[in-house]
Amino acid sequence: AQSVTQPDIHITVSEGASLELRCNYSYGATPYLFWYVQSPGQGLQLLLKYFSGDTLVQGIKGFEAEFKRSQSSFNLRKPSVHWSDAAEYFCAVGARPGGSYIPTFGRGTSLIVHP
Amino acid sequence: DADVTQTPRNRITKTGKRIMLECSQTKGHDRMYWYRQDPGLGLRLIYYSFDVKDINKGEISDGYSVSRQAQAKFSLSLESAIPNQTALYFCATSDRSGNFNEQFFGPGTRLTVL
Repeated sequence: AQSVTQPDIHITVSEGASLELRCNYSYGATPYLFWYVQSPGQGLQLLLKYFSGDTLVQGIKGFEAEFKRSQSSFNLRKPSVHWSDAAEYFCAVGARPGGSYIPTFGRGTSLIVHP
Repeated sequence: DADVTQTPRNRITKTGKRIMLECSQTKGHDRMYWYRQDPGLGLRLIYYSFDVKDINKGEISDGYSVSRQAQAKFSLSLESAIPNQTALYFCATSDRSGNFNEQFFGPGTRLTVL
């Protein structure tokens, strides 16, 4: 069975500082990997996704993530955080298409941005 | 207009009441899901449906039931609500034919059971 671990419940950064949110997954084959963002009072929005190819994936809002198979990680990064990035971030892992794809979500990391 | 809508957005009910949360989508997706979100626990899958005739339990289906009335509609019912069902509920959709099976989420329904 697949699983996702987000080790950090809360992360606090200053506006303009760099950001890295950690995600480790467990899955027996090449996974689909996702990062979603949930702004206060909103549903989840996809930031970026990885299936294959280049292990550095670019997403919306200036975010990127790097797939490292050897570390079973898919960490999310942003070089300079804006106050509007304060939100809950979820990493998710899914199976290959065509099968009974049911994604598994991590518990989320809450990002707090200080001015 | 939003692609995935949920009604109501907020609901306060009493223990023992039956309530229904509704989800509609205009994305034309085959697959629909119901999740609940609790602080510190992330999203947990309640039920999912891969088409109108296919309904499956998720990891926390006890106390819940669902109905897929049409491709575009997927309702979640609490037959007899209890306080520990107080949570934020999300509906989501995905397209079977897509390469990545990205999920699209509704805005959520905040349910409080007193």
